[in-house]
Amino acid sequence: EDQVTQSPEALRLQEGESSSLNCSYTVSGLRGLFWYRQDPGKGPEFLFTLYSAGEEKEKERLKATLTKKESFLHITAPKPEDSATYLCAVQAPNDYKLSFGAGTTVTVRA
Amino acid sequence: DGGITQSPKYLFRKEGQNVTLSCEQNLNHDAMYWYRQDPGQGLRLIYYSQIVNDFQKGDIAEGYSVSREKKESFPLTVTSAQKNPTAFYLCASTQTGENNEQFFGPGTRLTVL
Repeated sequence: EDQVTQSPEALRLQEGESSSLNCSYTVSGLRGLFWYRQDPGKGPEFLFTLYSAGEEKEKERLKATLTKKESFLHITAPKPEDSATYLCAVQAPNDYKLSFGAGTTVTVRA
Repeated sequence: DGGITQSPKYLFRKEGQNVTLSCEQNLNHDAMYWYRQDPGQGLRLIYYSQIVNDFQKGDIAEGYSVSREKKESFPLTVTSAQKNPTAFYLCASTQTGENNEQFFGPGTRLTVL
């Protein structure tokens, strides 16, 4: 069974204080690893897909990296508008389902 | 604008009632999904459909039913057999192929009174 563990559960940052979120996974092969952002009471918003170890993707202050067992979402110089819950999900080969972690809730104080 | 719509945004149900949640997409995606989200837990898959007139159970299908009569629509019925239906329900869709990003609707919050 695919498993996804995200840490920490919650992260409180000062504006400008860079940090990283972790997503550890166990899956038989990896078709893709996905990062989403979710604001309270809203649906998840797609951020990145990573397919193979060593791959990196960036979007504004966010950078996602992937190894064979985990992914990191780096937040550089965060702003209050980066406050959200960040979800990680994995997809196994020949499977259209995603297995989600419980998420990391990030709060950025001005 | 292309996207996924869910209705209603909020839904209240009395115990013993069946309710149906709507999900519509105009992205021309083949596959559609229903997830349930509870506080402190990851999204859990209820049902999914890869093609019209076909669907499969996810991890927590008991007490739920779906239909897929049109490519654009994938309604979810929460039946009275679902013991703890209060949750946030999310619909998603994706195009089958190499890039399998799922795109989500805004969600429906169901509360059982």
